[in-house]
Amino acid sequence: NAGVTQTPKFQVLKTGQSMTLQCAQDMNHNSMYWYRQDPGMGLRLIYYSASEGTTDKGEVPNGYNVSRLNKREFSLRLESAAPSQTSVYFCASSEGTGKGYGYTFGSGTRLTVV
Amino acid sequence: GQQLNQSPQSMFIQEGEDVSMNCTSSSIFNTWLWYKQDPGEGPVLLIALYKAGELTSNGRLTAQFGITRKDSFLNISASIPSDVGIYFCAGLPPGTYKYIFGTGTRLKVLA
Repeated sequence: NAGVTQTPKFQVLKTGQSMTLQCAQDMNHNSMYWYRQDPGMGLRLIYYSASEGTTDKGEVPNGYNVSRLNKREFSLRLESAAPSQTSVYFCASSEGTGKGYGYTFGSGTRLTVV
Repeated sequence: GQQLNQSPQSMFIQEGEDVSMNCTSSSIFNTWLWYKQDPGEGPVLLIALYKAGELTSNGRLTAQFGITRKDSFLNISASIPSDVGIYFCAGLPPGTYKYIFGTGTRLKVLA
């Protein structure tokens, strides 16, 4: 099984450009998440989707939008990229939310905004 | 917001040594997860803990859910070079379904 697949793996953007990070899972999971990882900061939640058709803000949502396209896919969009959005982005999924459900992570998208 | 303090931040050890790391918080959690992240990859779940006092093993790894519910510990016995990576704890606060992640412990094993 592929698990959680993220595309692209690497991307360089100029300030002000837009792009969409794609994420798909093949485990029939209900919940999906977008995190960013910065040195010394751990993983911070950007947006999540508890179930198909719902999305909610996480800890650091400013500058991002998301779409839960269907049960499999959850995309993250940067409308106008800024250097502060240089980071490694991880998508994750879980069977459900709350106690008893761990996350499965993708391998990440390394984004540089110049 | 709630924070998880993970220590040590980094450690160098000799192959064959045992390793201990921990996560602490001022708040209680209902679940503790431990993940390992290899360079260039996403975190992979190692151990999940669901009850205070629970002790769970996965091969050479053993993790414990602290009695106070405010901390968790991960031990690696007889470390090997492939143990290198970043280890993250994650805690689930009561009444929520969003995990909080620690800042990670970077482990380097010297052969």
